[in-house]
Amino acid sequence: GENVEQHPSTLSVQEGDSAVIKCTYSDSASNYFPWYKQELGKGPQLIIDIRSNVGEKKDQRIAVTLNKTAKHFSLHITETQPEDSAVYFCAASSPGDYKLSFGAGTTVTVRA
Amino acid sequence: NAGVTQTPKFRILKIGQSMTLQCTQDMNHNYMYWYRQDPGMGLKLIYYSVGAGITDKGEVPNGYNVSRSTTEDFPLRLELAAPSQTSVYFCASSFSTGQNEKLFFGSGTQLSVL
Repeated sequence: GENVEQHPSTLSVQEGDSAVIKCTYSDSASNYFPWYKQELGKGPQLIIDIRSNVGEKKDQRIAVTLNKTAKHFSLHITETQPEDSAVYFCAASSPGDYKLSFGAGTTVTVRA
Repeated sequence: NAGVTQTPKFRILKIGQSMTLQCTQDMNHNYMYWYRQDPGMGLKLIYYSVGAGITDKGEVPNGYNVSRSTTEDFPLRLELAAPSQTSVYFCASSFSTGQNEKLFFGSGTQLSVL
């Protein structure tokens, strides 16, 4: 099955700086790569996703890049704010497979 | 819409006890999932369902059972609870359009087995 590795496990950044989280996946057939944000005491929420037919997608201060050759994808958060502090999960799935394989998560702390 | 609703929010079980975690969604989603979240381990899929009457095992199904008699409800049953089942459980749903779509998660059930 699909194996997704996520780094780093924790990330502390100064408010206003950028944060980058990286994930690698094992199944070259995977074609869907979402990112979820989990705030304390809540369930994960989708913040952005990318499909294998594009290399980059941006939504305001967040962006995701995909390198299919290297089988890795990254989340970029610019101009970080205190409300960006949360746990972020990457995930991947293959065509026709509705089961997401999640990374272990990254705890992001934005220092004021 | 309430979205995905899970009950209870917290529960403490003794070893060997049984319980059912309830999950209901009001978005008419055909796909529903149960995940468990352990520290540093991400989310692991326990069971999933692609529609009423259809369920299938995920990565970590041992010790659990599910049923899907209606589109809205997808309860998770723990038989003979063990300390290894101490975890946070999340139910999720999605609407299949032929390709992968957004998962909507409930707020979770924190379960301790002592």
